[in-house]
Amino acid sequence: EPEVTQTPSHQVTQMGQEVILRCVPISNHLYFYWYRQILGQKVEFLVSFYNNEISEKSEIFDDQFSVERPDGSNFTLKIRSTKLEDSAMYFCASSGSPGGATDTQYFGPGTRLTVL
Amino acid sequence: GQQLNQSPQSMFIQEGEDVSMNCTSSSIFNTWLWYKQDPGEGPVLLIALYKAGELTSNGRLTAQFGITRKDSFLNISASIPSDVGIYFCAGSVNSGGYQKVTFGTGTKLQVIP
Repeated sequence: EPEVTQTPSHQVTQMGQEVILRCVPISNHLYFYWYRQILGQKVEFLVSFYNNEISEKSEIFDDQFSVERPDGSNFTLKIRSTKLEDSAMYFCASSGSPGGATDTQYFGPGTRLTVL
Repeated sequence: GQQLNQSPQSMFIQEGEDVSMNCTSSSIFNTWLWYKQDPGEGPVLLIALYKAGELTSNGRLTAQFGITRKDSFLNISASIPSDVGIYFCAGSVNSGGYQKVTFGTGTKLQVIP
């Protein structure tokens, strides 16, 4: 069964450093998302991406964040200058196979980001 | 923004018991989703509901989309130890051609063998 994959599984970085989190969505999906989950809390929407542009972003997704689909398979989340409060699990999700329900989002296993 | 209130926050049950959890919102959603999250992993979709009043089963799991479109419940029958995890409801609305999903606060389920 196709699945969303994410790398790395765990990223440790120093405050102020840039990080890039990588995702490979399900291959025929059209909509891509990033979510964040601070330890012990609920999953929070960050951004959605469709047709090579951001469809919507939350108030969490400030100028320090950016997303990119550099090729036909990868979808990345960049945090330019990490802060301590960016420490969280980051989940990528995808949805929208042609002819399918666009709202069934499938999640990757997540990247645990630890900012020291 | 839209908020989903999920209850209970946590529950301890004996293996074999049935479990019920629910989700309410002040806003209408056109799809309800239930996910399970195991520790250190991403949410896994359990059930998707697309129509008000819809009752859908997936093995021992049953979920319903409330008539008002503002609530949903999930039942797990005859719980087993591997049911342990956090269950999230999620509601979605159409937002400019794609579905915007809002997650509930989660219900942490512990099953005592």
